Amino acid sequence: DTGVSQDPRHKITKRGQNVTFRCDPISEHNRLYWYRQTLGQGPEFLTYFQNEAQLEKSRLLSDRFSAERPKGSFSTLEIQRTEQGDSAMYLCASSVSGWGEKLFFGSGTQLSVL
Amino acid sequence: DAKTTQPTSMDCAEGRAANLPCNHSTISGNEYVYWYRQIHSQGPQYIIHGLKNNETNEMASLIITEDRKSSTLILPHATLRDTAVYYCIVSGLNNAGNMLTFGGGTRLMVKP
Repeated sequence: DTGVSQDPRHKITKRGQNVTFRCDPISEHNRLYWYRQTLGQGPEFLTYFQNEAQLEKSRLLSDRFSAERPKGSFSTLEIQRTEQGDSAMYLCASSVSGWGEKLFFGSGTQLSVL
Repeated sequence: DAKTTQPTSMDCAEGRAANLPCNHSTISGNEYVYWYRQIHSQGPQYIIHGLKNNETNEMASLIITEDRKSSTLILPHATLRDTAVYYCIVSGLNNAGNMLTFGGGTRLMVKP
């Protein structure tokens, strides 16, 4: 069990640019979640996948955000035309579906939009 | 909106037990109580969860009141490395995705 891996750890970009983050879940975990966390706040749910299917999206996930999980393994989160308000920590978590499901989080990608 | 209420911050002396309370008066019969913690610059870490009965694992104990309207997380011998934000979360007993709703949590400071 190598844990949930996220890449990059930090990303600095200019307003209007596109960025993409990657998440590698724990092997054999069928669910993968994306959260966003701003300074001083708790994480907020964005979206989740069961295998390759995206089953739920938060209203926080605007049209500029898109997430994929091809083949039900790693996932990518892309933000197009970034805005300063997108600056946050983007967290990924994975789990095995079932009762009393436990989420295992990665260390996150810190995005700064200048 | 988060369905739990926690104190904003707490202090604890190193080596003593840390007791973190949580109110969840609107909890439904099919909802678990989960505890996660977040150490600075890291992602949240699962600690423990329970439905009705008290639970214990290598990290902590969870005491849930009989009416399930409140619970207490107990770290039996707090160390400096336990300094973190602790989140109490209630989440549905279902198989349709565990979309945790984090509140503000309790900032626990363990002091020497």
